[in-house]
Amino acid sequence: AQTVTQSQPEMSVQEAETVTLSCTYDTSESNYYLFWYKQPPSRQMILVIRQEAYKQQNATENRFSVNFQKAAKSFSLKISDSQLGDTAMYFCAFMKQGEGGYQKVTFGTGTKLQVIP
Amino acid sequence: AAGVIQSPRHLIKEKRETATLKCYPIPRHDTVYWYQQGPGQDPQFLISFYEKMQSDKGSIPDRFSAQQFSDYHSELNMSSLELGDSALYFCASSAIESTIYFGEGSWLTVV
Repeated sequence: AQTVTQSQPEMSVQEAETVTLSCTYDTSESNYYLFWYKQPPSRQMILVIRQEAYKQQNATENRFSVNFQKAAKSFSLKISDSQLGDTAMYFCAFMKQGEGGYQKVTFGTGTKLQVIP
Repeated sequence: AAGVIQSPRHLIKEKRETATLKCYPIPRHDTVYWYQQGPGQDPQFLISFYEKMQSDKGSIPDRFSAQQFSDYHSELNMSSLELGDSALYFCASSAIESTIYFGEGSWLTVV
């Protein structure tokens, strides 16, 4: 079974600064997908960024980028130029194709990020 | 672009009543997931369906049942509601080797 670990329950960052959220996972699979989701106070689950395991290049979406280390099974999220709207709970997620073709998803326990003005 | 649609968005029920939540996945998505998120908690996986068949089961109480219909929409039925069932219920959908997209959630309050 896959496990996803987010070792930082809470973090804070000054506005305009950079912060990195960590995520590690455990799997014996070679093909899989990794995601970061953001859940602001509105509680909506919003996709931040996605990484395919077969791609060596780290994914980037505007101010959000990842550091994907496949051998180390690490998938950290870097937020640059932090904004007040980045205040949210961030979930790391792992997805592999399960038996029968469906996708099995495992979430981490989340990191609560507070951006301080 | 079409998103995952959940209804109703808010629901208030009394203890021991029954509630039904509906989910309409993104077109051409073949997998539907249900999650429950209590106040201040992480989303807990309940159940998933792939091509209208149950594909995985998590911490879903026996009082709850779900199914996916021929048009791929899914319904989560909750009976004998308890106060502890008050939560935000997410539906999500995905296609093979694609991203999982979440609906905006259905807020259930049991009084």
